[in-house]
Amino acid sequence: DVKVTQSSRYLVKRTGEKVFLECVQDMDHENMFWYRQDPGLGLRLIYFSYDVKMKEKGDIPEGYSVSREKKERFSLILESASTNQTSMYLCASSLPHARGKGYTFGSGTRLTVV
Amino acid sequence: RKEVEQDPGPFNVPEGATVAFNCTYSNSASQSFFWYRQDCRKEPKLLMSVYSSGNEDGRFTAQLNRASQYISLLIRDSKLSDSATYLCAVNFATGNQFYFGTGTSLTVIP
Repeated sequence: DVKVTQSSRYLVKRTGEKVFLECVQDMDHENMFWYRQDPGLGLRLIYFSYDVKMKEKGDIPEGYSVSREKKERFSLILESASTNQTSMYLCASSLPHARGKGYTFGSGTRLTVV
Repeated sequence: RKEVEQDPGPFNVPEGATVAFNCTYSNSASQSFFWYRQDCRKEPKLLMSVYSSGNEDGRFTAQLNRASQYISLLIRDSKLSDSATYLCAVNFATGNQFYFGTGTSLTVIP
């Protein structure tokens, strides 16, 4: 079964900490995405990547950065965590143009910043 | 204006009922359309693709209306296990990114 694995289900971090969220996929997908999901706001795209060492800003990149050193791994970095970054973070991967299959999501990381 | 819009609901329906959700999109050049199901505190999972000719998978039917720029999901003979949030996703022709609606909440009542 194809999988997108996120390193942590739940995280609690302090304000100002640097936070790393890891995502690994075993489907050899070119595209990887990071979203955050908040009640009433839905899924909002933070960053995405179409290839190794390539990244593009999504709709809400402020306060975040990403790294894609290997095709299977896409990391989201909160440079200095703030309470307004408390959210559910979802990683997803897909083939180019989704090729009829859409995204596969990881199980999510629920981050609380205190 | 949001790229993709859904009625958030909630929709509360009795078992056995038929329920339909719509999702409107703003970009007429949109190419790919999907419905996802998301259970409480879980990740979205692909429910079905939406094709121009419409498609059916058991009790679920998805349709696309390009002229009016919306997709729909019809659930017949609702089961308690259908209770979830249903998200629509639209891919614009220019890129790989999908835009999601905020989701429609469905509760099927015994």
